[in-house]
Amino acid sequence: QKEVEQDPGPLSVPEGAIVSLNCTYSNSAFQYFMWYRQYSRKGPELLMYTYSSGNKEDGRFTAQVDKSSKYISLFIRDSQPSDSATYLCAILWHAGGTSYGKLTFGQGTILTVHP
Amino acid sequence: DTAVSQTPKYLVTQMGNDKSIKCEQNLGHDTMYWYKQDSKKFLKIMFSYNNKELIINETVPNRFSPKSPDKAHLNLHINSLELGDSAVYFCASSTSRRSYYTFGSGTRLTVV
Repeated sequence: QKEVEQDPGPLSVPEGAIVSLNCTYSNSAFQYFMWYRQYSRKGPELLMYTYSSGNKEDGRFTAQVDKSSKYISLFIRDSQPSDSATYLCAILWHAGGTSYGKLTFGQGTILTVHP
Repeated sequence: DTAVSQTPKYLVTQMGNDKSIKCEQNLGHDTMYWYKQDSKKFLKIMFSYNNKELIINETVPNRFSPKSPDKAHLNLHINSLELGDSAVYFCASSTSRRSYYTFGSGTRLTVV
């Protein structure tokens, strides 16, 4: 079983739609949950970062973590063509009580928002 | 000012050759990483260095050898390149105590 599972899509939505992106993870010890956005031919950039269960909102983006079901989600409201990118969920955990983290990614979901 | 810079951006080479990719960060971070992204966009960690010390070494062929001359630089040398090495290689950096990784823009390696 992979540590982080994500549906690769692709996902195509009209402008203005609400987008829901989801990941599941396997290890309940995972501590930090992130969403990265990657535009074509660019490196991933951090979009959202959460530590605990619950919701975190930043503008049109909401990240949600449900530790009981090991499920993380990213919602995009009023989606724009500029949101077209690959969205990668990621888990950061510190194994063995060390301070060194290991960032593990899901497969990434390719999102296209068409005008 | 580029925070994490990689050179070269594109690399096309023949099978069996040896090549290097360089990475430099000016963020003052103490930890650097190499990730490989395959054709399906799956991003997987290869190595991690903290203050020039190797701390993560995933299951990577020993043809891949990272080198960190100082904490601002992490290079990746690949011997005897194979077709399956074709991918985009990303360098990243962070502080050991924080969770935010900053990625470079990648090196697209094509082995022919």
